[in-house]
Amino acid sequence: DIVVTQSPDSLAVSLGERATINCKSSQSVLYSSNNKNYLAWYQQKPGQPPKLLIYWASTRESGVPDRFSGSGSGTDFTLTIDNLQAEDVAVYYCQQYYDILPFTFGQGTKVEIK
Amino acid sequence: EVQLVESGGTVVRPGGSLRLSCAASGFTFDDHAMNWVRQAPGKGLEWVAGIKWNGGSPGYADSVRGRFTISRDNAKNSLYLEMNSLRAEDTALYYCARESSSSFHFDYWGQGTPVTVSS
Repeated sequence: DIVVTQSPDSLAVSLGERATINCKSSQSVLYSSNNKNYLAWYQQKPGQPPKLLIYWASTRESGVPDRFSGSGSGTDFTLTIDNLQAEDVAVYYCQQYYDILPFTFGQGTKVEIK
Repeated sequence: EVQLVESGGTVVRPGGSLRLSCAASGFTFDDHAMNWVRQAPGKGLEWVAGIKWNGGSPGYADSVRGRFTISRDNAKNSLYLEMNSLRAEDTALYYCARESSSSFHFDYWGQGTPVTVSS
């Protein structure tokens, strides 16, 4: 199984500042035939289901604010939230879908306001 | 509007059985693979099972293989999870999640149905 590890487990960021979350997979999720990274990011606010933010490591889902961006390739990825807003308080998960048996998620990163 | 509505969650004794359902609407159900993902109280996300658009190639997490069965009825726009030999560690909120038609990521999630396994 591909193990996905996020860091940090939690972080506190001041309003308007940048939050950076890292995600590392135990093996590359870059598919050479199409040069796509099979990695997604989800946001889960308290009491709500997860919401897709980013797929293919850097493609923003429709309707997601452009302050959210994804980067990285191979085994190392980053979710960046610029100009942090109060409504961005949530737990963020990365997920690999390179190996779908099984799909695996990172353990989650909790983002709070400092 | 895409909607996924789970039902069937309840309190069940260890060793018991349960069938979860997910009613889909707002999209062409048989265009998409579907999955179940669970979240234990205060914990992260764990993929449980998935099934292709035509009901083929069901896949399971090691933690549930041999005890859980995923199925779908495209005529009824519904996804199911048959859960047998339930254990305390199966206690969780169970989400139904749709796979994108262009990839394998999960683009829509239901609100979840809670399952508690307790004596």
